[in-house]
Amino acid sequence: DADVTQTPRNRITKTGKRIMLECSQTKGHDRMYWYRQDPGLGLRLIYYSFDVKDINKGEISDGYSVSRQAQAKFSLSLESAIPNQTALYFCATSDLGAATGELFFGEGSRLTVL
Amino acid sequence: AQKVTQAQTEISVVEKEDVTLDCVYETRDTTYYLFWYKQPPSGELVFLIRRNSFDEQNEISGRYSWNFQKSTSSFNFTITASQVVDSAVYFCALSGYSGNTPLVFGKGTRLSVIA
Repeated sequence: DADVTQTPRNRITKTGKRIMLECSQTKGHDRMYWYRQDPGLGLRLIYYSFDVKDINKGEISDGYSVSRQAQAKFSLSLESAIPNQTALYFCATSDLGAATGELFFGEGSRLTVL
Repeated sequence: AQKVTQAQTEISVVEKEDVTLDCVYETRDTTYYLFWYKQPPSGELVFLIRRNSFDEQNEISGRYSWNFQKSTSSFNFTITASQVVDSAVYFCALSGYSGNTPLVFGKGTRLSVIA
């Protein structure tokens, strides 16, 4: 099983619907992240959390919210999805004890908003 | 603020050619880490290498090599004798001191290796 698991892997939804992408990890890492990937734009940070009580906005947080339910779980919500939120979303973790900031990624969740 | 620039959007080479992917970064940190990730057509992100700012030695791993030059703020990636399986999007990334700053990624370079 993957160390960082994202569900769903693929989702098609309609404009205005609420969507939640879930991420769980078994690596025991304190830090979790949500990135968004669009063709030609690379990976952009949406939100990150350094521990259960810590939530920080990233570069492109508008239109998104997150919840850190436990050390191992970090969910991303789109309250009212719009077509330009169609993208590939990645959850990632990193180890507090590692100074490098190296990320360990989930397999990605492809979201299409019609 | 930290920034990573991958000026090459797409590169196409014929199999067995050598190819270099460029990465230029900006940071005010004196200690930082640089990364390369590979994203094959299947979509997952595969870690390739991590290099800290104090280690300017070039690194070679099989057909892959990395050239880190602090003087030019560059961390270039060369694939020797490219193969079709090297076709992917490659991302360069930068993290700040102690990993307290989330990784900042370049926009990626799409490499196509043609048989």
